[in-house]
Amino acid sequence: AQSVTQLGSHVSVSEGALVLLRCNYSSSVPPYLFWYVQYPNQGLQLLLKYTSAATLVKGINGFEAEFKKSETSFHLTKPSAHMSDAAEYFCAVSPWNQGGKLIFGQGTELSVKP
Amino acid sequence: EAGVTQFPSHSVIEKGQTVTLRCDPISGHDNLYWYRRVMGKEIKFLLHFVKESKQDESGMPNNRFLAERTGGTYSTLKVQPAELEDSGVYFCASSQLRWEGNIYNEQFFGPGTRLTVL
Repeated sequence: AQSVTQLGSHVSVSEGALVLLRCNYSSSVPPYLFWYVQYPNQGLQLLLKYTSAATLVKGINGFEAEFKKSETSFHLTKPSAHMSDAAEYFCAVSPWNQGGKLIFGQGTELSVKP
Repeated sequence: EAGVTQFPSHSVIEKGQTVTLRCDPISGHDNLYWYRRVMGKEIKFLLHFVKESKQDESGMPNNRFLAERTGGTYSTLKVQPAELEDSGVYFCASSQLRWEGNIYNEQFFGPGTRLTVL
């Protein structure tokens, strides 16, 4: 069965610092990969997705992620953190031919210090 | 355009009681998914509707959970009788079009229903 591992349940950065949230997946066939963000009292919002096109994917709010097949990774980065980036981030995969269902990682809570 | 809505936002019930959660997907979205997040754990898939038909219910925990989608519009998820381990946040998501094998359709999530079983 496919799985997703997010390293670090909590990550804290200073405002203006680099944001790096790690995600590794297990799959013999590269699946579709996603990053979602959840702000307090809101639903999950899609940040970006990888669907076998460009390996470097740009998303909303200045985030990007790079698909690395050799490392089975899909880490999320942002060059400069903003206070408004504080939220919980989820990495997810959608296996081939399984109806589009998502398999999520454990989530990473991002805190941004002034 | 209205997003995915879920009702109630919070529900507190006692063990053994029945609770029904409702999800209204985005209009025109044929795919509807239910997920659950138990505290401290990852969000887990429960089931998937295509219109009114259950496409995949492999994630349903047991037969105390019953999901329906009448007329291919809104969906309900009933838990009867509720147990302590059912506590968590239940998310609903919807997406447009039918899964075609290699075409991904973005899922739009509702805010979730937080269920607490005492």
